[in-house]
Amino acid sequence: QSVLTQPPSASGTPGQGVTISCSGSSSNIGSNTVNWYQQLPGTAPKLLMYSSYQRPSGVPDRFSGSKSGTSASLAISGLQSEDEADYYCAAWDGRLNGVIFGGGTKLTVL
Amino acid sequence: EVQLLESGGGLVQPGGSLRLSCAASGFTFSNYAMSWVRQAPGKGLEWVSGISGSDGSIYYADSVKGRFTISRDDSKNTLYLQMNSLRAEDTAVYYCARDPPITGRFDYWGQGTLVTVSS
Repeated sequence: QSVLTQPPSASGTPGQGVTISCSGSSSNIGSNTVNWYQQLPGTAPKLLMYSSYQRPSGVPDRFSGSKSGTSASLAISGLQSEDEADYYCAAWDGRLNGVIFGGGTKLTVL
Repeated sequence: EVQLLESGGGLVQPGGSLRLSCAASGFTFSNYAMSWVRQAPGKGLEWVSGISGSDGSIYYADSVKGRFTISRDDSKNTLYLQMNSLRAEDTAVYYCARDPPITGRFDYWGQGTLVTVSS
């Protein structure tokens, strides 16, 4: 059971938007920034969003992040077939003194 | 170009040991914190351990504390993970990742090395 809670699955049709949530607590999301990763099948994860809402260079602006209190969200607009992947949130946890990941959300583009 | 190349994975019996290495290039290795992250077959990501690039601070997940040891050799631009008392549940692909600083912001990842613990 992950300390950060994500929905196990999400879906949308091409062109639609979808939001993936990540729920934590005061010791992690509530007091630290959130990072998001995209993992395509058979590949290493890729940093998609850092410091809750910053995009690394090369990540399309279709991806956006937000954080409020002890929850964070990753929004994807204009879904494309290549967005079909697993998405993970991560944050530092001051109580555990380590990095924690969400359980991951499998995004299906119908 | 930043590159991280893991090695040392393989098949090991329960209770055995293994040492993973991660050779880094394309950046000033000593300036960056580094972490190991693992992924069991068909499962999600789990952070294992991290080591800072400045003050030598080291952190471990509770699941590996007392069994795994992270270290680095800045002269060789290499990160290590010594894994002892291995269990079946340690079976996973192990990734090394750059984490500047240790906050869970892993901006570069290696391709991973598979560790299988089985008799």
